[in-house]
Amino acid sequence: AQSVTQLDSHVSVSEGTPVLLRCNYSSSYSPSLFWYVQHPNKGLQLLLKYTSAATLVKGINGFEAEFKKSETSFHLTKPSAHMSDAAEYFCVVSRGYQKVTFGTGTKLQVIP
Amino acid sequence: GAVVSQHPSRVICKSGTSVKIECRSLDFQATTMFWYRQFPKKSLMLMATSNEGSKATYEQGVEKDKFLINHASLTLSTLTVTSAHPEDSSFYICSARPIRQEHGYTFGSGTRLTVV
Repeated sequence: AQSVTQLDSHVSVSEGTPVLLRCNYSSSYSPSLFWYVQHPNKGLQLLLKYTSAATLVKGINGFEAEFKKSETSFHLTKPSAHMSDAAEYFCVVSRGYQKVTFGTGTKLQVIP
Repeated sequence: GAVVSQHPSRVICKSGTSVKIECRSLDFQATTMFWYRQFPKKSLMLMATSNEGSKATYEQGVEKDKFLINHASLTLSTLTVTSAHPEDSSFYICSARPIRQEHGYTFGSGTRLTVV
């Protein structure tokens, strides 16, 4: 069984300040972990993925995430928020390429 | 690479009619495609897993006869919402799993269905 918990439903940051979106997972095996972003009325775009290689994963648009097995976490960070980062972010866990489990999403608001 | 095209992006239909949504993998072959539904302010709910050349596997609580899935080729899966009702209005998204697994999951851009 697998599950994923996004600890914050909404996060609000000022433009230019760091972003932290938290994700904890539960899995009885070595999981694959992903972060996706969804802009309003748009589909999902892959930001980054962890598949048992390097624990610090760099993605697109300056985002990165660190896989911490001891904490069962895969938090998403960005050093400096941009207005265009305002969107909803989903943390996803899967076992290899079997069906995925989505977190409930975190809506990121960026204040000018 | 690994692009999934979903069509249409928006559709409005009358109650009682059927609507077909297409999901195409443009530059790769996908033996498995997934269909999700997203409710307002909710996460994505997996509806069914579509396997090329065989019957789809539906998640618990999803009506097979209402949401017809066909995966006739390695690049195309379709979801048909039959006898649509206003409560079927939602955002539907497909994703594809490539044969070459290093591509990872790729999602379509979604279809906004409104039933009036």
